[in-house]
Parts: sequence; structure tokens; C-alpha cells
Amino acid sequence: NAGVTQTPKFQVLKTGQSMTLQCAQDMNHNSMYWYRQDPGMGLRLIYYSASEGTTDKGEVPNGYNVSRLNKREFSLRLESAAPSQTSVYFCASSVLAGVYNTDTQYFGPGTRLTVL
Amino acid sequence: KQEVTQIPAALSVPEGENLVLNCSFTDSAIYNLQWFRQDPGKGLTSLLLIQSSQREQTSGRLNASLDKSSGRSTLYIAASQPGDSATYLCAVAFYGGSQGNLIFGKGTKLSVKP
Repeated sequence: NAGVTQTPKFQVLKTGQSMTLQCAQDMNHNSMYWYRQDPGMGLRLIYYSASEGTTDKGEVPNGYNVSRLNKREFSLRLESAAPSQTSVYFCASSVLAGVYNTDTQYFGPGTRLTVL
Repeated sequence: KQEVTQIPAALSVPEGENLVLNCSFTDSAIYNLQWFRQDPGKGLTSLLLIQSSQREQTSGRLNASLDKSSGRSTLYIAASQPGDSATYLCAVAFYGGSQGNLIFGKGTKLSVKP
């Protein structure tokens, strides 16, 4: 049981390049989330997927797209990377949808992205 | 605006000391509050989740309390150990927020000296 896995662990991009961050969970969770963590800003929600087939914007969605490929996988795409997207990206999952649930979120180890 | 604040930003204590980490939030209308631990270069690990109807939760040497009326939560760590050194994050699920949107504090970086 690996929990939440993310690939890659590190990535350096040039401005304007695109890339996809991959996330998978093996806990049969319904909900999945993408956060970014920046010094002095804390964690902020980018997008989330309450259940397979649905996605919704979080606090900071601009410049990103997501795909809930199946129940296990939730990817985050940067179409044209900008230096402001330099950050640490975390994927998380939880059993039930939304904030009404009593279950916590389980986090992956993160992807450290630098955009030059 | 719904905000979560953690003070102090950093704390250093000698091993064995009992300590309290503080979290305050701007709106008492919450679903739940969670405490997480983050080790350097790692993801977050959930420590305790308190529902809005609860006053406290305990896990081993950790005890988290919740006072919605005052907009405060505390994380009490008993008999601290060097292995407790990490950043501790408080996160709140507010009413009126979008589903799935936890608002995080910026964390308290704890250092426990041997």
C-alpha cells in the first residue's frame, strides 16, 4: 500500500514549456486534490476532484489544468510554465467528497518545480 | 476573508518540555479543523482531526483542543522529543468555502533540542 505517489520528484522547466505532474492513490479514495506550497504563503488549493469524472477550481487555478483520469489518478498540467509557478506541488486524497466528510486528507511527497 | 493564523512561526524547546502550539481562525462557522506535521522535504502527515461538534482529540502524546467561539485551537505536545522536530500546520474547513477547500495556516516550525 503505497498511499499517494507523485512523479516526478523534481523538475526544472524553462518559461513557456509545458509539463504534467502525475498523482496516483491506491487507497480507493473518492476525492483528490492539488495544492501548491510557497514560502510565506502556506498551502493553497489549485484544483480538486470530489469524485471520478468531476473537477473544480480551488483558490489559485489560473495557469493550470487537471484531469481525473480514473478513480486512482489525478494529473496537473502546466500548459505554458511561468516563473511564478515555481513551487512545491502536493497531491492529496480523501475517502469522501468535500469538506463535509469526517476523513482527513492524505498527502503525497510533493514535486519540487523550478521555472527559469 | 477566512484566514488561519499560527503563532509563533518558530519555537525551540529543550527535550522533555511540554509545549503548546496555537492556531486561530477568523470565522467560527467551521466543519472541522486538522493538525498536520510536515518534515523537511516531505509531504504532510495528518495528526488529529477535530469535528466542529468536538472539544478535543487525543493521540498518544498529542492533544488538540477546539474553541469555536473564540476561534482558537491548540496542539499540546507532552514530553517533547527531538523526533518531534518538524513544522506543524493547522488547517480549517470553513462553511461557505468550496468543497475540499482547507485553509491552511503558515505553520509553526518546532525544534526540540536534545
